[in-house]
Amino acid sequence: AQTVTQSQPEMSVQEAETVTLSCTYDTSESDYYLFWYKQPPSRQMILVIRQEAYKQQNATENRFSVNFQKAAKSFSLKISDSQLGDAAMYFCAYSRIQGGKLIFGQGTELSVKP
Amino acid sequence: GAVVSQHPSRVICKSGTSVKIECRSLDFQATTMFWYRQFPKKSLMLMATSNEGSKATYEQGVEKDKFLINHASLTLSTLTVTSAHPEDSSFYICSARLGSNQPQHFGDGTRLSIL
Repeated sequence: AQTVTQSQPEMSVQEAETVTLSCTYDTSESDYYLFWYKQPPSRQMILVIRQEAYKQQNATENRFSVNFQKAAKSFSLKISDSQLGDAAMYFCAYSRIQGGKLIFGQGTELSVKP
Repeated sequence: GAVVSQHPSRVICKSGTSVKIECRSLDFQATTMFWYRQFPKKSLMLMATSNEGSKATYEQGVEKDKFLINHASLTLSTLTVTSAHPEDSSFYICSARLGSNQPQHFGDGTRLSIL
């Protein structure tokens, strides 16, 4: 069975600084998707970034980028130039390519200090 | 694009009441919809996968008769919590996707409180 682990329950970053959130996963599949979702206090789930496992190039979306290490089964999220609006719960998630239901990690609560 | 609407956003009702939550994909046809439950400060737990025109697939430990799911059209899925009790109080979130290799888009969630 696939599992996703986020070992950092809470993280804190100074505004304008960079922070990295960790995620590891376990799967026997060779191809799959990995995601980072943001859940602000409003509790809306917002897709931050998606990575396809067969692509070696790390996905980026503006200030958000990932470090995808397939052999190590690691998928960390880097947030550059942190803003107050980045404060939220961040969930790492995995899904299979076909018919893939999302398997979520435990979440990391990120706070941004002004 | 890819907007998912969930209604109602908040429900407070008495124990024993049945509550229906709707999930609609507004600008796309969703072949598959998912229902999640989330406790405070916890992760999302998948309850069931709903495919249009067929029976929902429930995750292990989720009571089918308690949480009735209907996916009657490509834009609407409903979750009915039957004879709700205080332990059913939670945050319920739906998601929808166009195809099997497409990302899921989430509704805004429903906060259910059973008194």
